[in-house]
Amino acid sequence: AQRVTQPEKLLSVFKGAPVELKCNYSYSGSPELFWYVQYSRQRLQLLLRHISRESIKGFTADLNKGETSFHLKKPFAQEEDSAMYYCALSGLGTGGFKTIFGAGTRLFVKA
Amino acid sequence: DGGITQSPKYLFRKEGQNVTLSCEQNLNHDAMYWYRQDPGQGLRLIYYSQIVNDFQKGDIAEGYSVSREKKESFPLTVTSAQKNPTAFYLCASSIGGRKTSTDTQYFGPGTRLTVL
Repeated sequence: AQRVTQPEKLLSVFKGAPVELKCNYSYSGSPELFWYVQYSRQRLQLLLRHISRESIKGFTADLNKGETSFHLKKPFAQEEDSAMYYCALSGLGTGGFKTIFGAGTRLFVKA
Repeated sequence: DGGITQSPKYLFRKEGQNVTLSCEQNLNHDAMYWYRQDPGQGLRLIYYSQIVNDFQKGDIAEGYSVSREKKESFPLTVTSAQKNPTAFYLCASSIGGRKTSTDTQYFGPGTRLTVL
């Protein structure tokens, strides 16, 4: 079964500190992994996806197939990074491709 | 904001009533999705449609129904059979197509439904 696990509901760090939001997945095939972000009073939006291998707003995420993880990292957190972050997996189901989201991690960056 | 709209923003319903949430997109996307967002549970997929006139149940479809008569519209009906309908509902769309797996999803602003 497809599953996405984000073990931390809340993560609080100080400004300038490194941050890592954990994401583990379960999927039998080759998944596509995404990170979505929801800032206060804004829509949920794509932050980055593993296939693009890009860094967005200083965030990076590496797909580790051996550990089935896709952790989101940033070396120096900023206050504007405070938001809700969702890890998501897209895979083939009986009705075509669908995306499964994790429960989300709320990141709070303290001044 | 991606050309996907949801209405109304807030909706109140009495117990036992059906209610329909609107979702419209002008992105020419084939795929559309409905999610329910509850605190601590993230987004859970209710229904999705990869192409017009076709849709599939998601993980929590009981008590909900959808239609996909037009490419740009994917309304969700919350029926009286849904036991705990009070929630925030998000609609999304993506380029879609049955062979596409790397779609970015574009989300609407959401509708908050409260059952009185």
